[in-house]
Amino acid sequence: EPEVTQTPSHQVTQMGQEVILRCVPISNHLYFYWYRQILGQKVEFLVSFYNNEISEKSEIFDDQFSVERPDGSNFTLKIRSTKLEDSAMYFCASSTGTGASSGGYTFGSGTRLTVV
Amino acid sequence: AQTVTQSQPEMSVQEAETVTLSCTYDTSENNYYLFWYKQPPSRQMILVIRQEAYKQQNATENRFSVNFQKAAKSFSLKISDSQLGDTAMYFCASKGNYGGSQGNLIFGKGTKLSVKP
Repeated sequence: EPEVTQTPSHQVTQMGQEVILRCVPISNHLYFYWYRQILGQKVEFLVSFYNNEISEKSEIFDDQFSVERPDGSNFTLKIRSTKLEDSAMYFCASSTGTGASSGGYTFGSGTRLTVV
Repeated sequence: AQTVTQSQPEMSVQEAETVTLSCTYDTSENNYYLFWYKQPPSRQMILVIRQEAYKQQNATENRFSVNFQKAAKSFSLKISDSQLGDTAMYFCASKGNYGGSQGNLIFGKGTKLSVKP
């Protein structure tokens, strides 16, 4: 079964450093997302991406964050200057369309980001 | 704005028994989608079951079924014949259908389910 692949599975970074989280969505999917889950809390939407541009973003997704699809397969989330409160599990997801019949979303296994 | 509420932070059930996890939501949309996701200790988010709001019939997937009460805005998950592998965090989520825009998933805070042998 097709998978969404995220790398790395765990990243430790120093406060103030830039990090790039990588995702390879399912190949025929057109919509891409990033979600975040701070330990012990609920999953929160960050941003959605379609046709090479951001289509929606949440309040969390401030100027520190950016997303990019640098080639035909990768979808990246960059955090420019990490803060302690950016420590969380970051999930990438993709879907073929917007409705539930598209299968909803397929999530990756997540990247655990630890900012020290 | 959409909200999703899961009022049971933790639940436990004996193996082979049946358990129901509660979820209520609030939305102003006429058409929307509801989901249950499972998050085992590996932290991966796995889709368990989904329901389209315009469909009257409750969705079922093997041992998993939902009780969708649209008027009450309730979407509970029933797990029959519970297995040890069902031990996980379960998240209820909703997604609007904003006339062609993507919409995004709104999650509840989750219910931690423990299946006991």
